[in-house]
Amino acid sequence: AQRVTQPEKLLSVFKGAPVELKCNYSYSGSPELFWYVQYSRQRLQLLLRHISRESIKGFTADLNKGETSFHLKKPFAQEEDSAMYYCALTYQSTPLVFGKGTRLSVIA
Amino acid sequence: DTGVSQNPRHKITKRGQNVTFRCDPISEHNRLYWYRQTLGQGPEFLTYFQNEAQLEKSRLLSDRFSAERPKGSFSTLEIQRTEQGDSAMYLCASSRSGQGLEQFFGPGTRLTVL
Repeated sequence: AQRVTQPEKLLSVFKGAPVELKCNYSYSGSPELFWYVQYSRQRLQLLLRHISRESIKGFTADLNKGETSFHLKKPFAQEEDSAMYYCALTYQSTPLVFGKGTRLSVIA
Repeated sequence: DTGVSQNPRHKITKRGQNVTFRCDPISEHNRLYWYRQTLGQGPEFLTYFQNEAQLEKSRLLSDRFSAERPKGSFSTLEIQRTEQGDSAMYLCASSRSGQGLEQFFGPGTRLTVL
């Protein structure tokens, strides 16, 4: 069965510090991985996807098939990055399987 | 088009009552998804449609739950004989069909069963 694990429920970092939100998945095939973000009082929205290999708001994520990981990174955290972050996977356009989420708190 | 909309935003009901939620997707999106989210959890898939066809239902979707998308546009999710365990945020999302395409989420309907 497909599973996404986000080991940290809460991650607190100081402004300007590096951020790494961990995501591990279990799936035997080649899934598509995503990071979704939910800012306070806003709806869930896509942050980035591995097939795009893009950097959004300074965040990047690299798919490591050997380690079955898709960690989200940002070199310098900003206060506006404080939000709930969800890692999710899909395979051949099946519905998304989400992790439980990590709340990022950036302290000024 | 302002994105995916859901109504109502909040619903409080007594145990045993029936409730119905509505989702209006982005107009050109042929796929529509329903998810449920409880406290401390990520969204969990319930069911999805491609046009008017319901393609998949999760085992989470008991017989008390039914979803429709009669004309391939808006969708309704009905819960019959609600239970306290049904209290959750119900999320709707839509997308075009295809690999790796973004799902756009609505604001959700928060259900509280007393």
